Amino acid sequence: DVKVTQSSRYLVKRTGEKVFLECVQDMDHENMFWYRQDPGLGLRLIYFSYDVKMKEKGDIPEGYSVSREKKERFSLILESASTNQTSMYLCASSPGTETTNEKLFFGSGTQLSVL
Amino acid sequence: AQKVTQAQTEISVVEKEDVTLDCVYETRDTTYYLFWYKQPPSGELVFLIRRNSFDEQNEISGRYSWNFQKSTSSFNFTITASQVVDSAVYFCALSDPGNQFYFGTGTSLTVIP
Repeated sequence: DVKVTQSSRYLVKRTGEKVFLECVQDMDHENMFWYRQDPGLGLRLIYFSYDVKMKEKGDIPEGYSVSREKKERFSLILESASTNQTSMYLCASSPGTETTNEKLFFGSGTQLSVL
Repeated sequence: AQKVTQAQTEISVVEKEDVTLDCVYETRDTTYYLFWYKQPPSGELVFLIRRNSFDEQNEISGRYSWNFQKSTSSFNFTITASQVVDSAVYFCALSDPGNQFYFGTGTSLTVIP
């Protein structure tokens, strides 16, 4: 069964800490995405990647960076966590660009609280 | 610009009632895809359906059915004879030719036993 795994379901960090959210997929997908989900705002795209070592900014990249050193792993980094980054973070993947508009496969999410 | 609107923030129904979740989209593209996802309390978004812009045929899958109408830019989702397990947040989304996804704000459905 295909799977997108996020390393933590719940995470509590302090303001100013550097935070790493990890995501791994086992489907050999080329595309990977990071979203944040907030009540009343739906899912908003932070960053995405269509290939190893490639990254593109989404709609709300400020305060975040990403890393994709291997095809299966896409990391979201909060360089200096702030309270307004308290949110649910969802990782997703989809097949390569040769197959267009395929569905996204999602992880279970990481609920991050920044105190 | 692409936009997906789910005007219903929260819906409550009694078990066995039918319920329709509305989705209205905006796009200038002629080719696009529409999706519905279910997010149960566990958190993971589960894919329900994908429909391309050239296929307006309605679809039924068990108790679920989808009504796609390009004339009104709507892609509504109906659950027949709702069950408690249907309680979840449901998201409608549009995918454009650039493979970008645009999600609605979600509809939280509660089915009361």
